[in-house]
Amino acid sequence: DTAVSQTPKYLVTQMGNDKSIKCEQNLGHDTMYWYKQDSKKFLKIMFSYNNKELIINETVPNRFSPKSPDKAHLNLHINSLELGDSAVYFCASSLIQDGGTEAFFGQGTRLTVV
Amino acid sequence: ILNVEQSPQSLHVQEGDSTNFTCSFPSSNFYALHWYRWETAKSPEALFVMTLNGDEKKKGRISATLNTKEGYSYLYIKGSQPEDSATYLCAFYSGGGADGLTFGKGTHLIIQP
Repeated sequence: DTAVSQTPKYLVTQMGNDKSIKCEQNLGHDTMYWYKQDSKKFLKIMFSYNNKELIINETVPNRFSPKSPDKAHLNLHINSLELGDSAVYFCASSLIQDGGTEAFFGQGTRLTVV
Repeated sequence: ILNVEQSPQSLHVQEGDSTNFTCSFPSSNFYALHWYRWETAKSPEALFVMTLNGDEKKKGRISATLNTKEGYSYLYIKGSQPEDSATYLCAFYSGGGADGLTFGKGTHLIIQP
């Protein structure tokens, strides 16, 4: 069983489209995250979410929005896709939100905007 | 802006040799330092989470040390094996907000048979 799973693994879409990436964790963790691997290969936090609070990195455009239908899911919606959104997006989860416990990552979704 | 630096960026090591690499991070507002192992086409996997100055952790042939006062951590691999080939990421956590984990760029390790 995959602990953190993302779908799709690859996503190619045109500029201006709206798309979603799904993420599910079966670890019973309280906190889920979205990270973006930028062109310089850094993993950068986009969102942190537990069942009480969504914390947004202020640098993330408001075209990006996380949606959590339940504790085990945190989906990423992207509106009006732009060329610069092309990147690999990683979902992750951790037991609690304090950074003192390890994060478990999904396999990543490579988004290509054409 | 938090700065996490890893060196070297890449490293070629002969099978059987031991090696180490460095992660430097801000020494103020420290909460935790993570090490992850990232194989190509897979997800990053946690190796260690360290929170206390002087922490030393070990998992098999891999170990890590932490100095929060001077802001650095070392990862050591003893007797490198081909399966150790991966990118090793360190990540700093200062606590609170969507700062989340701030990752370094990683050290890409290649073990040569």
